[in-house]
Amino acid sequence: DSGVTQTPKHLITATGQRVTLRCSPRSGDLSVYWYQQSLDQGLQFLIQYYNGEERAKGNILERFSAQQFPDLHSELNLSSLELGDSALYFCASNPSGGAGTQYFGPGTRLTVL
Amino acid sequence: LAKTTQPISMDSYEGQEVNITCSHNNIATNDYITWYQQFPSQGPRFIIQGYKTKVTNEVASLFIPADRKSSTLSLPRVSLSDTAVYYCLVTTGNQFYFGTGTSLTVIP
Repeated sequence: DSGVTQTPKHLITATGQRVTLRCSPRSGDLSVYWYQQSLDQGLQFLIQYYNGEERAKGNILERFSAQQFPDLHSELNLSSLELGDSALYFCASNPSGGAGTQYFGPGTRLTVL
Repeated sequence: LAKTTQPISMDSYEGQEVNITCSHNNIATNDYITWYQQFPSQGPRFIIQGYKTKVTNEVASLFIPADRKSSTLSLPRVSLSDTAVYYCLVTTGNQFYFGTGTSLTVIP
């Protein structure tokens, strides 16, 4: 157990809908990262937050957004969902951001029908 | 953009040493290489990290040659429980690039 929690574990929705994925980092970790894992694209970095502020952006679509709250938990919002958005979404955390070891949560499996 | 490639799969017998290579280009001298292990339906789990020469911990070694065009994860004496997918992660600046993943199967 990495100490990172993600909810829900599974999510099934329809095209065009909007969903919110939630992540609670390890106690004391200020940085949160979001990744998408799919069969065709592999593991891709989406976005990083540090202490409530966006620090880095990767291959995140404009339909996706994230935020980190004062209690340091983070949410990833996915809107206007398409079939191709079906994937595993992982959250990771570490104390200070940068190149330090990232601790990954168990992921949320999103299925768009 | 750091493009990282790995062999798709490898097989090894129990007790053997396994070396998995990650090829990457255009990485700077202070870019970090991290290796993760992933089991089905679980998040990646940290194995080892370094940015130059050789790093060793209680489970693995990481070798990064001077040209920094590749890195090698070495797993000594693998067991059946090491059957998993292994990913390298290149951290360059504030961007993170995972490799394509290597599926390791350990055979009794």
